[in-house]
Amino acid sequence: GENVEQHPSTLSVQEGDSAVIKCTYSDSASNYFPWYKQELGKRPQLIIDIRSNVGEKKDQRIAVTLNKTAKHFSLHITETQPEDSAVYFCAATGGSYIPTFGRGTSLIVHP
Amino acid sequence: DVKVTQSSRYLVKRTGEKVFLECVQDMDHENMFWYRQDPGLGLRLIYFSYDVKMKEKGDIPEGYSVSREKKERFSLILESASTNQTSMYLCASSPYTSDPNEQFFGPGTRLTVL
Repeated sequence: GENVEQHPSTLSVQEGDSAVIKCTYSDSASNYFPWYKQELGKRPQLIIDIRSNVGEKKDQRIAVTLNKTAKHFSLHITETQPEDSAVYFCAATGGSYIPTFGRGTSLIVHP
Repeated sequence: DVKVTQSSRYLVKRTGEKVFLECVQDMDHENMFWYRQDPGLGLRLIYFSYDVKMKEKGDIPEGYSVSREKKERFSLILESASTNQTSMYLCASSPYTSDPNEQFFGPGTRLTVL
């Protein structure tokens, strides 16, 4: 089955810095890669996603890149703000429609 | 706006009790999922369902069962709760589409088994 590795497990940055979270996957059939943000005490919510026919996608301060050959994808957050502090999960989904999640990255943005 | 609700935010049960966790979605989604979330382990799939009365085991089904009698409702059952089932339980739903798509999560139920 699919295996998703996510790094780092914890990321601490100063407000205004950039943050990068990386994920690798094992199943070359995976074709949908969502990123979820979970604020403390709240439910995970989709913040951005990318499909395998696209190499990069941006939405304001967040962007996701995908390298299908190397089987890795990354979340980039620029100009971080304290409200970006949360746990971020990556996932990889293939033909089964069942996502495999990474273990999560706790992002802490210091004012 | 998709809404996924779970019957309880917090639940405390005793070892050996039968526990029911309920999830309801209001967007006519075909797919529903139950996850367990533990620190450092991410989201682990317990069971999922593609349709009414249909269920499939996920990665960690031992000690759990599920029921889906109506399209909007997906129940997780702990037949005999044990302390190692103390965890956060998240329900999710998604529509059936030709390509994989976003999952919509409920608020979670934090279960403590004493």
